[in-house]
Amino acid sequence: AQKVTQAQTEISVVEKEDVTLDCVYETRDTTYYLFWYKQPPSGELVFLIRRNSFDEQNEISGRYSWNFQKSTSSFNFTITASQVVDSAVYFCALSEARGGNTGKLIFGQGTTLQVKP
Amino acid sequence: DVKVTQSSRYLVKRTGEKVFLECVQDMDHENMFWYRQDPGLGLRLIYFSYDVKMKEKGDIPEGYSVSREKKERFSLILESASTNQTSMYLCASSLRGGEISGANVLTFGAGSRLTVL
Repeated sequence: AQKVTQAQTEISVVEKEDVTLDCVYETRDTTYYLFWYKQPPSGELVFLIRRNSFDEQNEISGRYSWNFQKSTSSFNFTITASQVVDSAVYFCALSEARGGNTGKLIFGQGTTLQVKP
Repeated sequence: DVKVTQSSRYLVKRTGEKVFLECVQDMDHENMFWYRQDPGLGLRLIYFSYDVKMKEKGDIPEGYSVSREKKERFSLILESASTNQTSMYLCASSLRGGEISGANVLTFGAGSRLTVL
């Protein structure tokens, strides 16, 4: 069965610190997709990144970077030089790519990040 | 600006009432989803629909039903609300995925926070 685990329930850092949010997943499929979403206090989940299982290259987007390691079934998210606006709940999610119709996401429990000024 | 709109941001209902949560998307997406978000549990899929009049149960469908009479609208129905259905409900939509395009990105609404007394 598919499963996503975000072991860190809450993280608190001071502005400008780097922070890494962990995500570990389980799946029996060889083809799958991994996602990160951000949920700011307003409540609406915002898409950050999608990764397929065949692309293990790390990705960097501004202060955000993602480290995908199939060997450890992890897809970790690092924020460099954190800012107060990064305070939010972050979700990691997994989707299989089986069959003709996909889209169901299995979400982790979420990590609440608080960045203090 | 494309979006997913949930009709009610906050609702308070009494035990036993019938509750309708409405969701409309303007992106011509085939897939629509209802998730429930609870602290420590992340997002859990209640139902999803990949076409008009089509529906499939998610992980926690008990106590819920859905309706999709038009492509843009996906309704979640609580036939007889109970206190354990107090939660945040999130609607999402996506393009239909596939072997080539894979799992598409979900676009979420702002959520409907339901309190059942």
